[in-house]
Amino acid sequence: DAKTTQPTSMDCAEGRAANLPCNHSTISGNEYVYWYRQIHSQGPQYIIHGLKNNETNEMASLIITEDRKSSTLILPHATLRDTAVYYCIVRVAYTGNQFYFGTGTSLTVIP
Amino acid sequence: EPEVTQTPSHQVTQMGQEVILRCVPISNHLYFYWYRQILGQKVEFLVSFYNNEISEKSEIFDDQFSVERPDGSNFTLKIRSTKLEDSAMYFCASLSGGYQETQYFGPGTRLLVL
Repeated sequence: DAKTTQPTSMDCAEGRAANLPCNHSTISGNEYVYWYRQIHSQGPQYIIHGLKNNETNEMASLIITEDRKSSTLILPHATLRDTAVYYCIVRVAYTGNQFYFGTGTSLTVIP
Repeated sequence: EPEVTQTPSHQVTQMGQEVILRCVPISNHLYFYWYRQILGQKVEFLVSFYNNEISEKSEIFDDQFSVERPDGSNFTLKIRSTKLEDSAMYFCASLSGGYQETQYFGPGTRLLVL
């Protein structure tokens, strides 16, 4: 699975959009981009994933660049409850292999 | 919405004792996992389980660890003789194995070895 690079930490004002970047320059054609988050010491929570098209669900939007070397997770209206560590993971789908968690981005939503 | 559950939520044990951590994966899922997270560190993969056998394990998963799916619903992690460094959060996860599979995690068991 390709390696990802994320900023260590970010702040965002409550009510504003949080844009979390991820670089995955060595991604291969059959690898998906997944985003998870971990609030305090809870179990990682799935947010969204995509291959090459932009994706949106009730939690977030995922924007993947045309060359697929980077992506951005967008939380459109951040709340205090979105304060968490966000993990960008690149992984081949259609297999049962593990998810590799890096250090992620610690997002703090400020009142 | 279906979810992965884990019991107990907290476990305190003495060094050298055996512990069994329990998980109930999502019912139609085929792949099962254990991860651990030592306080302040990354989530680390321990083991994956498919078709009633271990499919992959990490260096952490040594002879002190074992996994089992004793019936159609439970998935357990046993640590035979706990060490102080086994103190961590242990997360169970399951995955459907279908199209564009996504792994879902349980809330974790906090293990403290004294």
